[in-house]
Amino acid sequence: KNQVEQSPQSLIILEGKNCTLQCNYTVSPFSNLRWYKQDTGRGPVSLTIMTFSENTKSNGRYTATLDADTKQSSLHITASQLSDSASYICVVRENTGFQKLVFGTGTRLLVSP
Amino acid sequence: KAGVTQTPRYLIKTRGQQVTLSCSPISGHRSVSWYQQTPGQGLQFLFEYFSETQRNKGNFPGRFSGRQFSNSRSEMNVSTLELGDSALYLCASSIQPTGKYNEQFFGPGTRLTVL
Repeated sequence: KNQVEQSPQSLIILEGKNCTLQCNYTVSPFSNLRWYKQDTGRGPVSLTIMTFSENTKSNGRYTATLDADTKQSSLHITASQLSDSASYICVVRENTGFQKLVFGTGTRLLVSP
Repeated sequence: KAGVTQTPRYLIKTRGQQVTLSCSPISGHRSVSWYQQTPGQGLQFLFEYFSETQRNKGNFPGRFSGRQFSNSRSEMNVSTLELGDSALYLCASSIQPTGKYNEQFFGPGTRLTVL
């Protein structure tokens, strides 16, 4: 069964610190992997998208990595800010006719002052 | 360009009632997907519509239904509401369901509370 697992489930860090969120998937065949940020009570917003051939992609203080061989991705947040407090969701798209999306359950990040 | 809009934003219903949620996609987007989000389960796919046709459906009971209109606006309906239906319902639109233009943009969601 195609799955996406994220860790940790929740995380508290001090403002200004760095953190790394993990995403492991078993989705096959693989099309792409996207990280979303979801603020409380709002819809998810895309941070990065990575295809099979991409290892790293950055969006400001957010850097995503992908190892397609081990089926692992990480999202690194540098110099965290209070506004980074949100849920981060890893989503993998199948490379099939329907191109189904498989969602992780997310990591809830709290940045503390 | 306006984003995905969902109405209403908040809704309170009682068990046994039925509810209709509305989603207006980004202009030019013809694909609309619906998701249920609960704290324990994360985002669960409900269904996807493209050009007024249901293209894909998730593992939800028949009480959950949807449709898409010729202007790409979509509605979802939940009949005979149960307490477990309390959730954030998210709508996402994309230009196409597959291929190069399949990036989904999410709306703010409708928070449904069933009492």
